Amino acid sequence: GDSVTQTEGLVTLTKGLPVMLNCTYQTTYSPFLFWYVQHLNEAPKLLLKSSTDNKRTEHQGFYATLHKSSSSFHLQKSSVQLSDSALYFCALNSGYNKLTFGKGTVLLVSP
Amino acid sequence: NSKVIQTPRYLVKGQGQKAKMRCIPEKGHPVVFWYQQNKNNEFKFLINFQNQEVLQQIDMTEKRFSAECPSNSPCSLEIQSSEAGDSALYLCASSLSSINTEVFFGKGTRLTVV
Repeated sequence: GDSVTQTEGLVTLTKGLPVMLNCTYQTTYSPFLFWYVQHLNEAPKLLLKSSTDNKRTEHQGFYATLHKSSSSFHLQKSSVQLSDSALYFCALNSGYNKLTFGKGTVLLVSP
Repeated sequence: NSKVIQTPRYLVKGQGQKAKMRCIPEKGHPVVFWYQQNKNNEFKFLINFQNQEVLQQIDMTEKRFSAECPSNSPCSLEIQSSEAGDSALYLCASSLSSINTEVFFGKGTRLTVV
């Protein structure tokens, strides 16, 4: 079946530094990948999505490129802010819009 | 702000008790999902509907959970006989279609089974 792997459980960074959160996936279908962000006691919100190979997608300073050759969709930002502290999930559309999620990465940004 | 409305935000039940939570999907969204997010933040898909029809559900959902999305009423998820392991955040989500469209989440109902 479909699966999504996020290798970092926790990433701690100082404000202003760059970040990359890893995401790889396995599926037998045409991949449609998402990044969701969940702040404490808030609903998960869509950050980025892509189904186009090798095309960078950007939103709110975050960006990611779907690479079908390596089954990856890593999330990056060039300069993290305190408000970026949250839980980040990579997800794969597994049919009927059902999402298969990775285990999530907690990003903690310190002053 | 989330346009998927879930009630109640918090629910405390004893083991063996019924637990029921509700969800109003975003207006115009016929596809509704329920996910369970455990204490380790891991998501488990439970069931999804298109209008009133079930599209997919997992075994657990068939056995102890029941869910429905009646027309003109909130969707609901009910656990017949709560167990300690059911303690989790239950997230409802909705989308405009069942094919590659954005899925919008509510803030969830946090169930604690004591």
